[in-house]
Amino acid sequence: EAEVAQSPRYKITEKSQAVAFWCDPISGHATLYWYRQILGQGPELLVQFQDESVVDDSQLPKDRFSAERLKGVDSTLKIQPAELGDSAMYLCASSPGVIAREQYFGPGTRLTVT
Amino acid sequence: AQTVTQSQPEMSVQEAETVTLSCTYDTSENNYYLFWYKQPPSRQMILVIRQEAYKQQNATENRFSVNFQKAAKSFSLKISDSQLGDTAMYFCAFMMTDNTDKLIFGTGTRLQVFP
Repeated sequence: EAEVAQSPRYKITEKSQAVAFWCDPISGHATLYWYRQILGQGPELLVQFQDESVVDDSQLPKDRFSAERLKGVDSTLKIQPAELGDSAMYLCASSPGVIAREQYFGPGTRLTVT
Repeated sequence: AQTVTQSQPEMSVQEAETVTLSCTYDTSENNYYLFWYKQPPSRQMILVIRQEAYKQQNATENRFSVNFQKAAKSFSLKISDSQLGDTAMYFCAFMMTDNTDKLIFGTGTRLQVFP
């Protein structure tokens, strides 16, 4: 069964360092999402791509976060510089498109900023 | 803005028993989707059940069913014949029927099924 892949699974970094997360969606899925899940809370959408275009990045802290999906397949989320408050689980999800509605989630990357 | 509220941070149930998780939401929209997602410990989130707001009939998926009360903006999840593998965080989520497919999640309910 196809799954969304994410790496690394765990990342520990020091404050002010740069960090990057990678996501490979299910093959053929045009829509890709990055969520941030702070401990004890539900996921919050950071950015949504339709193919290689950004559909929604209204909650992305653009002064330090960036996301790209250059060829409309895999995606990278970057934080530079990392802050203590960025410690969270970063989830990637993909969907075949609007009609399908269901989103398929990856295992996530747990980030700890020290 | 749409909001989703889950008022039960933690629940527990004995194996084979039935448990109901509560969810309320706030929206001025008439057409939307509601979901329950399950996040097992150290595993990825998976969809449990989905409800379209225009459908009056409550959705069911095997042991999982919902009680959708549109006027009350309530969307509870009932798990029948609970199994140890049902132990997980359960998130209620809302999605509008526009083109963004943006999910708005509640804070989750941690369900523990014990033998």
